[in-house]
Amino acid sequence: EVQLVESGGGLVQPGRSLRLSCAASGFTFDDYAMHWVRQAPGKGLEWVSGVSWNSGFIAYADSVKGRFTISRDNAKNSLYLQMNSLRDEDTALYYCAKDSGSGVVGPTAVDSWGQGTLVTVSS
Amino acid sequence: EIVMTQSPATLSVSPGERATLSCRASQSVSSSLAWYQQKPGQAPRLLIYGASTRATGIPARFSGSGSGTEFTLTISSLQSEDFAVYYCQQYNIWPLALTFGGGTKVEIK
Repeated sequence: EVQLVESGGGLVQPGRSLRLSCAASGFTFDDYAMHWVRQAPGKGLEWVSGVSWNSGFIAYADSVKGRFTISRDNAKNSLYLQMNSLRDEDTALYYCAKDSGSGVVGPTAVDSWGQGTLVTVSS
Repeated sequence: EIVMTQSPATLSVSPGERATLSCRASQSVSSSLAWYQQKPGQAPRLLIYGASTRATGIPARFSGSGSGTEFTLTISSLQSEDFAVYYCQQYNIWPLALTFGGGTKVEIK
């Protein structure tokens, strides 16, 4: 059974940094692309960033480009999101999500999701 | 950036009736289109990928169609557990990556 467990969320002041982690199990982690998707309170889903199986391809939403950095450690079956210069509008539940493919050419559908970690940016 | 537009924002349907949800892409995404269901307090669940292929364990009452820029999710006979928010999502080559639509809430009429 695929399990994705996010951690690292919390309350942070605007302009500060936070690092999210996602521990993956139940599948061969380095066979699949991975993503971070967020959902602001009462709002829809917003893709944040994705990384191919070997980190050869990385992409970001325009809203976070230059501030967020995605990374993965295949030896530790872990996905990360370093979030710098946080803004009020970054407040959201952040989901770790598994792609159904390796991301060699591009991402595909997301077939598994974690339960999310809440990030609140407020002074 | 590819923009995904879903309509209607809210759909009121009686149990047992058919529901038809629409999704439009700002440019062609071929058949690289997925549909997700999200219930309150839960993570999304993959329903359809490749525009028309049901994901594992998804009941046959869910069907997807379309290609290019126009897509449809049909729920043939709504069950109580189907009342939820539905999102479409395009997937593309890097770095275009993923884009979600704004969602359609299916509520009980």
